[in-house]
Amino acid sequence: DAKTTQPPSMDCAEGRAANLPCNHSTISGNEYVYWYRQIHSQGPQYIIHGLKNNETNEMASLIITEDRKSSTLILPHATLRDTAVYYCIVRVGKDSNYQLIWGAGTKLIIKP
Amino acid sequence: DAGITQSPRHKVTETGTPVTLRCHQTENHRYMYWYRQDPGHGLRLIHYSYGVKDTDKGEVSDGYSVSRSKTEDFLLTLESATSSQTSVYFCATSGTAISSNVRNIQYFGAGTRLSVL
Repeated sequence: DAKTTQPPSMDCAEGRAANLPCNHSTISGNEYVYWYRQIHSQGPQYIIHGLKNNETNEMASLIITEDRKSSTLILPHATLRDTAVYYCIVRVGKDSNYQLIWGAGTKLIIKP
Repeated sequence: DAGITQSPRHKVTETGTPVTLRCHQTENHRYMYWYRQDPGHGLRLIHYSYGVKDTDKGEVSDGYSVSRSKTEDFLLTLESATSSQTSVYFCATSGTAISSNVRNIQYFGAGTRLSVL
């Protein structure tokens, strides 16, 4: 069963920051939060992951609350090409031999 | 991204026939995974492999079998396809490089769309 809850859809204006929320209230202490996205008809693409601390890379930032029960993915300057389904995922299992438990995702539409 | 090729990309078959999907990778990644994706759902793990001839079941393994005789190839077989197995199937790989970031990221193929009539 999915361990994450996301809004089914969101809109964002081009050039603005897109903030995608995710609830994972049953997450265990050693389980990571991952974000992937899937552009229509393509394979999922990795974005970012984290455990406790906030993370940033060239694609996005991940903000995890102190109690780890929720997180937010931030796309700082959304473009039309960021229109996709974004999945918040919990990683279970030990390092290297793990499984990703996927939720239903948020369909993000970037509008001109 | 890891070089992952799935074949075929599209397949239509009849109920009761056997079907084999192939995943081929060129990155020498140790781990390989098969997922299915149905409308309105995220991906669900079918089977995975943690080395040549080492496989294990995932969340939705009933009706599926897998084999991995070489590092680069991971086969998914539907012994007797049913209409409930109509889905999009994705293969993924992850490595065991020293860098934890590489080790802990799964890379996905483009998917195989399977229709069972």
